[in-house]
Amino acid sequence: DVKVTQSSRYLVKRTGEKVFLECVQDMDHENMFWYRQDPGLGLRLIYFSYDVKMKEKGDIPEGYSVSREKKERFSLILESASTNQTSMYLCASSPYTDSQNTEAFFGQGTRLTVV
Amino acid sequence: GQNIDQPTEMTATEGAIVQINCTYQTSGFNGLFWYQQHAGEAPTFLSYNVLDGLEEKGRFSSFLSRSKGYSYLLLKELQMKDSASYLCAVTDSNYQLIWGAGTKLIIKP
Repeated sequence: DVKVTQSSRYLVKRTGEKVFLECVQDMDHENMFWYRQDPGLGLRLIYFSYDVKMKEKGDIPEGYSVSREKKERFSLILESASTNQTSMYLCASSPYTDSQNTEAFFGQGTRLTVV
Repeated sequence: GQNIDQPTEMTATEGAIVQINCTYQTSGFNGLFWYQQHAGEAPTFLSYNVLDGLEEKGRFSSFLSRSKGYSYLLLKELQMKDSASYLCAVTDSNYQLIWGAGTKLIIKP
């Protein structure tokens, strides 16, 4: 089974702190994604990566950065945490394929609270 | 803009049938996904439709009409464990996934 592991289920950080959210997948997938999920809103894409050291901005990249030094690991960085970044963060991975049916596999999520 | 609409919440009775609708307006279409997400857990894949028609998979079926920008997820013989949020997502012309806000399904005994 594909496994996508996020380093923390729950995090509480102070405003202004630098926050690292880690995600590791064990199926050699090329594609990795970071989303945030808020009540009443769909999953919103923050950043994604199609290859090592490659990153692309999603719909809401402001206040975030990412790092992909190894294929299996995709890190999300909040440079200076703010209260409006309190949210559920979901990491996902998917294989590169010519098929349109590219199922995404999700981690368990990290619920981040910024106080 | 791109938009996915689905009801916020639905309630159904154990053993019954429920249909969760999803309408979309996107720049292009390359397929529609349904995911299930239990509270506090990761979304998990349920179905994928790219051609018009009905795809059946056990108690769950998913229907697509591309001309109408419409899909539904049909759940039969509802069980308490089906209580979850159901997320509709569309792949647009750039193969980016556009997500709906999800439908919270409450199953009552």
